[in-house]
Amino acid sequence: EVQLVESGGGLVQPGGSLRVSCAASGFTFSSHWMSWVRQAPGKGLEWVANINQNGDKFYLDSVKGRFTISRDNAKNSVYLQMNGLRAEDTAVYYCSREIGGQGFGHWGQGTLVTVSS
Amino acid sequence: EIVLTQSPATLSLSPGERATLSCRASQSVSNYLAWYQQKPGQPPRLLIYDASNRATGIPARFSGSGSGTDFTLTISSLEPEDFAVYYCQQRSNWPPYTFGQGTKLEIK
Repeated sequence: EVQLVESGGGLVQPGGSLRVSCAASGFTFSSHWMSWVRQAPGKGLEWVANINQNGDKFYLDSVKGRFTISRDNAKNSVYLQMNGLRAEDTAVYYCSREIGGQGFGHWGQGTLVTVSS
Repeated sequence: EIVLTQSPATLSLSPGERATLSCRASQSVSNYLAWYQQKPGQPPRLLIYDASNRATGIPARFSGSGSGTDFTLTISSLEPEDFAVYYCQQRSNWPPYTFGQGTKLEIK
């Protein structure tokens, strides 16, 4: 069974930094693209970043230069380092496994990041 | 960036009725469109990919159609557990992947 478990969310001040993590199990992690998707309170879904098997990374324009996605295949984990956080980054951050040719096939339960003074 | 517009914003129906949800893209996405269901407090679940293919384990009452810029998700006969928010998402032209704003399907 595929499992994705996020951690590391919390309250951070504007301009601060936070790293959220996602531990994966139940599939060959190193063979899959992984994404982070966020959802602001009461709002819709917004793709943030993804990383492929080779370590190539892609980002939403509004987070470029502030967020960095990375992966550790030995630990079956994907990370999102968030710097220069803004109030508008407040959201539940979901880790998702992309299924090639389909979409976001598996999701974690999410971790809440709140940016506030 | 491709903008996806869903309609209606809210749809009020009764169990047993047929639901028709729409998603329109600002430019062609071919058939690279997916649908997701999200219930309160839960992550989204993939329902339909490539416009018309049901994901693993999705009941046959869910179907998708369309290509280019206009897409439809149909639920043939609503079950109580189908009342949720539905999102469309394109993977034709990325980054970024984009989602529609969602349609809330509520019990009448």
